[in-house]
Amino acid sequence: QSVLTQPPSVSGTPGQRVTISCSGSGSNIGTHSVNWYQQLPGSAPKLLIFNNWQRSSGVPDRFSGSKSGTSASLAISGLQSEDEADYYCAAYDDSLKGVLFGGGTKLTAL
Amino acid sequence: EVQLVESGGGLVQPGGSLRLSCVASGFIFRVSDMHWVRQAPGKGLEFVAGISSEGKSTSYATSVKGRFTVSRDNSKNTVFLQMGSLKTEDTATYYCTRWRGVLAGIDYWGQGTLVTVSS
Repeated sequence: QSVLTQPPSVSGTPGQRVTISCSGSGSNIGTHSVNWYQQLPGSAPKLLIFNNWQRSSGVPDRFSGSKSGTSASLAISGLQSEDEADYYCAAYDDSLKGVLFGGGTKLTAL
Repeated sequence: EVQLVESGGGLVQPGGSLRLSCVASGFIFRVSDMHWVRQAPGKGLEFVAGISSEGKSTSYATSVKGRFTVSRDNSKNTVFLQMGSLKTEDTATYYCTRWRGVLAGIDYWGQGTLVTVSS
């Protein structure tokens, strides 16, 4: 598996709750923790969620993560225009012996 | 404050070589594993190479194995990526990152350095 599977895009209206899914396999998500990253246009990625659900320092509690089996999801509640960005999931992969990323999801606030 | 500052990117012809550097500060570099991650223009993130804290263990993506070499100099808080036999598909922004293990993953990223492989 070359990448974890994410939807290419999701959208929502301000104040709405949106979720982004991430699907993997037993050699990555099924065995290891999932991280989530936010990448604003023209910037480097920033850690949002680590170890499946733990928020990185300074990340609002509007962002939450969960994992079940070989899938994970990122939920954003109270959507704000500043949340417009690309979001990536990631997990260590035993076959790759490195971190495997999702293809990325572009979040649009309508 | 953790800082990772990459340098060495630029324009190179197919088949050429380039060496990227990343200087780290704000944390104890010598006990930290480091990874290089790249992002082709308009595309997603891709693991390139990783190196353990003492440099004894390395790993590579299949796409770069045999062409790229990751190394480090703990006395200078610097990690390197030597890239050879470059292909047009290696064109990307290359990020230096700190790897905190399978639970915490990558926690810090540099600003990236752009490598363009073109004739």
